[in-house]
Amino acid sequence: AQSVTQLDSHVSVSEGTPVLLRCNYSSSYSPSLFWYVQHPNKGLQLLLKYTSAATLVKGINGFEAEFKKSETSFHLTKPSAHMSDAAEYFCVVTRLNTNAGKSTFGDGTTLTVKP
Amino acid sequence: DAGVTQSPTHLIKTRGQQVTLRCSPISGHKSVSWYQQVLGQGPQFIFQYYEKEERGRGNFPDRFSARQFPNYSSELNVNALLLGDSALYLCASSQGLAGSGETQYFGPGTRLLVL
Repeated sequence: AQSVTQLDSHVSVSEGTPVLLRCNYSSSYSPSLFWYVQHPNKGLQLLLKYTSAATLVKGINGFEAEFKKSETSFHLTKPSAHMSDAAEYFCVVTRLNTNAGKSTFGDGTTLTVKP
Repeated sequence: DAGVTQSPTHLIKTRGQQVTLRCSPISGHKSVSWYQQVLGQGPQFIFQYYEKEERGRGNFPDRFSARQFPNYSSELNVNALLLGDSALYLCASSQGLAGSGETQYFGPGTRLLVL
């Protein structure tokens, strides 16, 4: 079984300040973890992914995330928010090394960036 | 290169009707997954197909069915539509199985409204 909990449904930051979007996961197996972003009326876009290599993962647009097995967390961070970062963010877990395919999404975090 | 394409973009049906949604994956991708995204929630996994075989199924009733064709395109069918089936239906393609850590690329979705 696997599940994802995004700890904040809404996060509001000022432009130029750090962003932290929190994600905890539960998985009976070795997980593969992803962060996707969804802008209004646009498709889901991959920000970054973890697949058992380096625990600190760098993605597009200055985002990064750190896999912490002991805390079962995969929080997304960015040093300085930009207005264009305002969107819905989803944390996703899949089971690594399996012939079966199932991805579990969190309920999403809405990021608002204030000028 | 063309991304994942879905048709139609919007659809309005009445309760009890049947609907077929279509998806064309990125060229070279052999896996297609379907998700249902209800307003305000994260996408929920419905099916994954790989090499024309079902490789994963989410917690959806038998009214939902899918198939993958030799050219790797896919159709999602929903019978006996209910009001609760109103949602954005997303298709994602990947080279391999999502469970192997493969990145999924999402289409823009089909928005289904059931009246």
